[in-house]
Amino acid sequence: DTEVTQTPKHLVMGMTNKKSLKCEQHMGHRAMYWYKQKAKKPPELMFVYSYEKLSINESVPSRFSPECPNSSLLNLHLHALQPEDSALYLCASSQDWKRLNTEAFFGQGTRLTVV
Amino acid sequence: TQLLEQSPQFLSIQEGENLTVYCNSSSVFSSLQWYRQEPGEGPVLLVTVVTGGEVKKLKRLTFQFGDARKDSSLHITAAQPGDTGLYLCAGAHLTSGTYKYIFGTGTRLKVLA
Repeated sequence: DTEVTQTPKHLVMGMTNKKSLKCEQHMGHRAMYWYKQKAKKPPELMFVYSYEKLSINESVPSRFSPECPNSSLLNLHLHALQPEDSALYLCASSQDWKRLNTEAFFGQGTRLTVV
Repeated sequence: TQLLEQSPQFLSIQEGENLTVYCNSSSVFSSLQWYRQEPGEGPVLLVTVVTGGEVKKLKRLTFQFGDARKDSSLHITAAQPGDTGLYLCAGAHLTSGTYKYIFGTGTRLKVLA
């Protein structure tokens, strides 16, 4: 099973709303990632969790708040977003982010539109 | 400055033609991955290359890792419309003592029937 499941698949939210994106994997991976992808661009790293601890925050605005409740789950809490935050948000996991031959497996993404 | 540069950026070809996509870096990578992504979907892992000079084949796709492990290529033989998508190389890079999994700039391929 190499599946990473993201919910919801689509989300439309207002700038004053609070919403959460969810990600789940059951591959026993200890590293989980959030990426943001704008149209026709490659994914850009936002956060890395390793063994349920935040290891990397790529200077992401505080209106994005990640959470890793356990080794299988990763959330991204959204609050007071801007229209320019509209993008495809991708979750990924890998065995261990410090392994030399890291392979990351991605979810289908959440298409977020901020209105 | 992008650590992984891909070329070409865009490619539009007829069904049956061959093509090569390049992924180049000035840094050495322990391994590189290639992904294909369709619109609105997440990237799907195609292959991992690990050893310098390694060649891997996946049906009509041939992947090569440069001898110095700084570059990689993807060759598609007899392209089909189903090959259409965004091709991304990626790898784990050590930056300031921290590993980051980064993507190349991407190659958008369109195969016309």
